[in-house]
Amino acid sequence: DAKTTQPPSMDCAEGRAANLPCNHSTISGNEYVYWYRQIHSQGPQYIIHGLKNNETNEMASLIITEDRKSSTLILPHATLRDTAVYYCIVTDSGGGADGLTFGKGTHLIIQP
Amino acid sequence: GAVVSQHPSWVICKSGTSVKIECRSLDFQATTMFWYRQFPKQSLMLMATSNEGSKATYEQGVEKDKFLINHASLTLSTLTVTSAHPEDSSFYICSASTELPWSYEQYFGPGTRLTVT
Repeated sequence: DAKTTQPPSMDCAEGRAANLPCNHSTISGNEYVYWYRQIHSQGPQYIIHGLKNNETNEMASLIITEDRKSSTLILPHATLRDTAVYYCIVTDSGGGADGLTFGKGTHLIIQP
Repeated sequence: GAVVSQHPSWVICKSGTSVKIECRSLDFQATTMFWYRQFPKQSLMLMATSNEGSKATYEQGVEKDKFLINHASLTLSTLTVTSAHPEDSSFYICSASTELPWSYEQYFGPGTRLTVT
C-alpha cells in the first residue's frame, strides 16, 4: 500500500470548514483513498473513500487531485465532536479484505 | 447497522495470567476479522487477520503463541493474551468486514483496554 503524509495537528474554529490534507504521491492506479477518524479512546470510524472522483456523503467531502497524488478531506461545518485523529489510508483492498495500515494521522482540534 | 462489540471494555489482570477478549459482529456476518493494538499516543498496529474457520495470519513480530486468535463463527472472534506481562498493556481493537459487494469499509469495535500489573 502506498504511504501517506499528513500534518500532525490542525486547529479549526467551530462552525467553519475543516480541510485536512493528505499526500500520497506513490499511489498506484488500483488504490483507493480512505479516511477514518478516531475519537479519543474509541475505535476508528469510517468517514469516506474514493478512487478518482470527488466524493461527498453526510459526513464529509473528499477531493482528490487529478494526478491522485494528494487529497483533502473537508468537514463542512466542524463541531466540537469532530475533534479526533483523522487517518488517510491508501489501500487496494477496496473494502476490508486486508488489514489497514494506519499512519500517525492528523489530530484535528475544533476550537469553540 | 454494522455494529461491532467488544467485551470486556477494560480489564486489569496480574502478570502471568491469561486474558480473553471477545469481538462480535452484532448484525452482520463477518467473513474477516482483524485485531489491532494501540499503545498510548501511538497509531493502531495490525496484529493479525482471521477468517472464519481457518487459522489466523499474524503480522511480522507478533507472537502467535502469545496472542491466540479463534474465529469460530461468522459473528465471533476471540483474542487471548497468554501469560500477560506489563508490556502487553495496551488498547486492543478489533474490526470486521464482509464479502458483500457493497461493503467498502471495516467496522471497528470500541476497543478493550488491557492493564497488566
